[in-house]
Amino acid sequence: QKEVEQNSGPLSVPEGAIASLNCTYSDRGSQSFFWYRQYSGKSPELIMSIYSNGDKEDGRFTAQLNKASQYVSLLIRDSQPSDSATYLCAVNTVLEYGNKLVFGAGTILRVKS
Amino acid sequence: GAVVSQHPSRVICKSGTSVKIECRSLDFQATTMFWYRQFPKQSLMLMATSNEGSKATYEQGVEKDKFLINHASLTLSTLTVTSAHPEDSSFYICSASYRGILSGANVLTFGAGSRLTVL
Repeated sequence: QKEVEQNSGPLSVPEGAIASLNCTYSDRGSQSFFWYRQYSGKSPELIMSIYSNGDKEDGRFTAQLNKASQYVSLLIRDSQPSDSATYLCAVNTVLEYGNKLVFGAGTILRVKS
Repeated sequence: GAVVSQHPSRVICKSGTSVKIECRSLDFQATTMFWYRQFPKQSLMLMATSNEGSKATYEQGVEKDKFLINHASLTLSTLTVTSAHPEDSSFYICSASYRGILSGANVLTFGAGSRLTVL
């Protein structure tokens, strides 16, 4: 079982719609969760971080975390063509020598105008 | 704040040569830096965790003698790809961990990445 799983997509949504991106993880001890956006040929940039169960909103983005179900999601409201990118879910794992961030394979999002 | 600078952004080298990539934290001290590799249309794969003043911790399957990591100061880590071969061609990305002011949790910020092409 992969440590962090995401649907690879592509997820296609029309401009203005809500895009819903999902992620599951295997380590029950994980406490920190992140969503990164990566444009083609570029390095990832942090969009959202979430540490406790429930919803966290930042502008058009809402992250949702359910530790009991080991599930984290990202909602993008009023999707824009510029949101088209690969979205990476990342989960922090505590190891003997420190923390390790494990990434999912990413979900490709395409917003059509 | 929390900017990570990575150089070079692109490098082309001949097979058998060595290439060094630098990663600097510009406005914070990074006790831990991470090196990732990403092949086309694949996710980020952690290669090693670099701790200042100590040996790097390599992920399973990553050759430590081929990918030399040095973290001599709190603001600089280097990755040297030794005796590079075409299969080493990839996008190498460094990142550094800093403690978020509001959250108090460690957050990872990435350098711009270095695209290595080995001919």
